[in-house]
Amino acid sequence: EAGVTQFPSHSVIEKGQTVTLRCDPISGHDNLYWYRRVMGKEIKFLLHFVKESKQDESGMPNNRFLAERTGGTYSTLKVQPAELEDSGVYFCASSRDTEEKLFFGSGTQLSVL
Amino acid sequence: AQSVTQPDIHITVSEGASLELRCNYSYGATPYLFWYVQSPGQGLQLLLKYFSGDTLVQGIKGFEAEFKRSQSSFNLRKPSVHWSDAAEYFCAVVPLAGNTGKLIFGQGTTLQVKP
Repeated sequence: EAGVTQFPSHSVIEKGQTVTLRCDPISGHDNLYWYRRVMGKEIKFLLHFVKESKQDESGMPNNRFLAERTGGTYSTLKVQPAELEDSGVYFCASSRDTEEKLFFGSGTQLSVL
Repeated sequence: AQSVTQPDIHITVSEGASLELRCNYSYGATPYLFWYVQSPGQGLQLLLKYFSGDTLVQGIKGFEAEFKRSQSSFNLRKPSVHWSDAAEYFCAVVPLAGNTGKLIFGQGTTLQVKP
């Protein structure tokens, strides 16, 4: 069984540019989560999809971040325009339902210069 | 505010030595408790979890953790560390009856293993 896959693994962009991160969850997993770890800080929840619907987006930092999950399969997280403080590792995770364990991807390292 | 504290940012142990990683939480009621590990280039992997029942929980890779309500702690232990255990370890909680996918993490403890 393929795990959670994230693209790209690394992204280096300049302040003001746009970046789109992608997450492919495990097939059949309705729940998809985005997390972020800013350097030196703890990993923080961003949002939760159930299929294509946003169940909880309480952790999204501001309106420069837009997450989508068209068709309830893969998800994208767009940052537009990127700021220096957006640098960090963005993790995606999925689960079959909210009572089951999460499977994490290896993350996207985003550097905003 | 709800929080998770891992007091040790970095720990070094010799291969074969015992290990204990500390985790304390601040919540009104006992939350669900987790330990995750992230090896270099890998995603986070669940080591073990505690929801209720026996306060000593066995996990994968020879790890165990003990929940102590009186101390609001959930420390991770391993009797004999292997070089492959070098990684970053995260304690995490979810409020009772909450969505177990919405984790609140500690800052992580990086484990270095000396030969």
